Amino acid sequence: GAVVSQHPSRVICKSGTSVKIECRSLDFQATTMFWYRQFPKQSLMLMATSNEGSKATYEQGVEKDKFLINHASLTLSTLTVTSAHPEDSSFYICSAEAGGGYKDTQYFGPGTRLTVL
Amino acid sequence: AQTVTQSQPEMSVQEAETVTLSCTYDTSENNYYLFWYKQPPSRQMILVIRQEAYKQQNATENRFSVNFQKAAKSFSLKISDSQLGDTAMYFCAFIVGAGSYQLTFGKGTKLSVIP
Repeated sequence: GAVVSQHPSRVICKSGTSVKIECRSLDFQATTMFWYRQFPKQSLMLMATSNEGSKATYEQGVEKDKFLINHASLTLSTLTVTSAHPEDSSFYICSAEAGGGYKDTQYFGPGTRLTVL
Repeated sequence: AQTVTQSQPEMSVQEAETVTLSCTYDTSENNYYLFWYKQPPSRQMILVIRQEAYKQQNATENRFSVNFQKAAKSFSLKISDSQLGDTAMYFCAFIVGAGSYQLTFGKGTKLSVIP
């Protein structure tokens, strides 16, 4: 149980284009999902917290107009990197908060490697 | 401010041996949850073990166990009978309860299991 998928796993795009990453909780409903960014050999950096049916909460320094988050259902959140530039190249990971007795536990997707040329 | 410190950037252990990864944290809250996550080379974050701060009993999951010292704000992970598949980055993290679900991560410890 508590499986989170992410799609695509890898994406290469040209500078100036937009890229959408999907995060799905496969066997549970997730009121809250999270988006992280991870640079090589570093820990995860929280970008934003996404709540179903409401606007995402962004961490300080994260441009909300550049990283658009939509959490339209209890099993799907999307991150759109708009007008991507090479400095946006990174590993993006989502997580979903499990409910029930493990309400405070996050389960992670496998990540998406974004390369902007 | 809430922080997590993992003082061992890298560690190694012989296969079948036991290794302990250290973690200390700082929070003024009394209600929180502690986690160890594993990130193998595939980069998939995997939950290893979870501990509620209000529970005195240390959590165990098969070969993985923790030594939770609340007064010292210490949360170490012991891996027994280490296996090659345990090679990974290990992140210590915690969440403060009561509606705040943001994980605070440590910088990680890279564990290598040597055959």
